[in-house]
Amino acid sequence: GESVGLHLPTLSVQEGDNSIINCAYSNSASDYFIWYKQESGKGPQFIIDIRSNMDKRQGQRVTVLLNKTVKHLSLQIAATQPGDSAVYFCAEKGSETYKYIFGTGTRLKVLA
Amino acid sequence: KAGVTQTPRYLIKTRGQQVTLSCSPISGHRSVSWYQQTPGQGLQFLFEYFSETQRNKGNFPGRFSGRQFSNSRSEMNVSTLELGDSALYLCASSIDSRYQPQHFGDGTRLSIL
Repeated sequence: GESVGLHLPTLSVQEGDNSIINCAYSNSASDYFIWYKQESGKGPQFIIDIRSNMDKRQGQRVTVLLNKTVKHLSLQIAATQPGDSAVYFCAEKGSETYKYIFGTGTRLKVLA
Repeated sequence: KAGVTQTPRYLIKTRGQQVTLSCSPISGHRSVSWYQQTPGQGLQFLFEYFSETQRNKGNFPGRFSGRQFSNSRSEMNVSTLELGDSALYLCASSIDSRYQPQHFGDGTRLSIL
């Protein structure tokens, strides 16, 4: 299918290694954050979310870290698999709005 | 539970025409948002509807409009199509709660010739 983004930053990792994808968010008033995964030809798929009253949240093979001081969000994927190859987006939402702002995305390539 | 359904999946139009895209949210979800996704601009918010009312709007021209029906299904319309409107249009639905995520459909790929 057509590329989601032709000039996205790309992270290449070896299969089995851990991946860390970073995101700088824009609004210090944002209080809810989501990571999405988008595969070619599909819509973004929810991975994990975190509220601003937390610093860390874990899911299955994924961990999200939130640093409100520097407005930074990261997604850690443990034991990266070929099926993890996709574009990853972070999204933020302010406390007074129902509107999400999405980051530009990072392409993750898993090398066999 | 069925996911967000968007129809059609692909559409080809010519400049000057208009188009209507449809979105059926997840059952029980009352908030529906629309996004435009292009390689150059990423995911751009168009508008959000809740209980048949537009609650939020992005920075798009008035050629882009939408509506929501009483069963929460939503449509978006683009009139007087331009070449730059070629994009993937994504619909997302959510439970109307501050800390519940949006869930996306697979989009409608609109190509303008």
